[in-house]
Amino acid sequence: DTAVSQTPKYLVTQMGNDKSIKCEQNLGHDTMYWYKQDSKKFLKIMFSYNNKELIINETVPNRFSPKSPDKAHLNLHINSLELGDSAVYFCASSQQFTGSQPQHFGDGTRLSIL
Amino acid sequence: GENVEQHPSTLSVQEGDSAVIKCTYSDSASNYFPWYKQELGKRPQLIIDIRSNVGEKKDQRIAVTLNKTAKHFSLHITETQPEDSAVYFCAAPVAAGNKLTFGGGTRVLVKP
Repeated sequence: DTAVSQTPKYLVTQMGNDKSIKCEQNLGHDTMYWYKQDSKKFLKIMFSYNNKELIINETVPNRFSPKSPDKAHLNLHINSLELGDSAVYFCASSQQFTGSQPQHFGDGTRLSIL
Repeated sequence: GENVEQHPSTLSVQEGDSAVIKCTYSDSASNYFPWYKQELGKRPQLIIDIRSNVGEKKDQRIAVTLNKTAKHFSLHITETQPEDSAVYFCAAPVAAGNKLTFGGGTRVLVKP
């Protein structure tokens, strides 16, 4: 059973399009995250939700809108995709909202903008 | 600031030798220090972590040491094997302990 699963695994699309990535965790965790990993492998947090409530919102363009319908799901919608959005997006979860607990990552969504 | 700095950025070792990666952090309130391993095309996975009340922790061929005074912690891999080749990330909580900030990563290559 995959603990943190995200779909799709690959997303190839044109500039200007709108796309969504979905994430689900079956670990019973309260907190979920979105990270962006660029071509240089830097892992940067974008958003964090605790029990459906937005807690961390880093300086991310407002074209990115996360949504958490319940604490097991966190989706990411991206409007008007740009070339610089090409990256691998990782969803993660942790038991509670604290930086002092292990985070479990999904397999990533590789987004390529043509 | 909210920095976690990691060195070196790349590390090439001969199979059987040891590898050491060092991280420094700026937030003196940080109390949890995990290390993640990311193989090519895969997700980051936790391999070991240490809390601030402990100076060293070992798990088979990997160990982590923490120096709270100097605000740095290190990952030690002994008897390296080709399957240890990966990118390793350190992390530490910053901003009142609620945000895990990752170092820039170290690409480790173990040559057979």
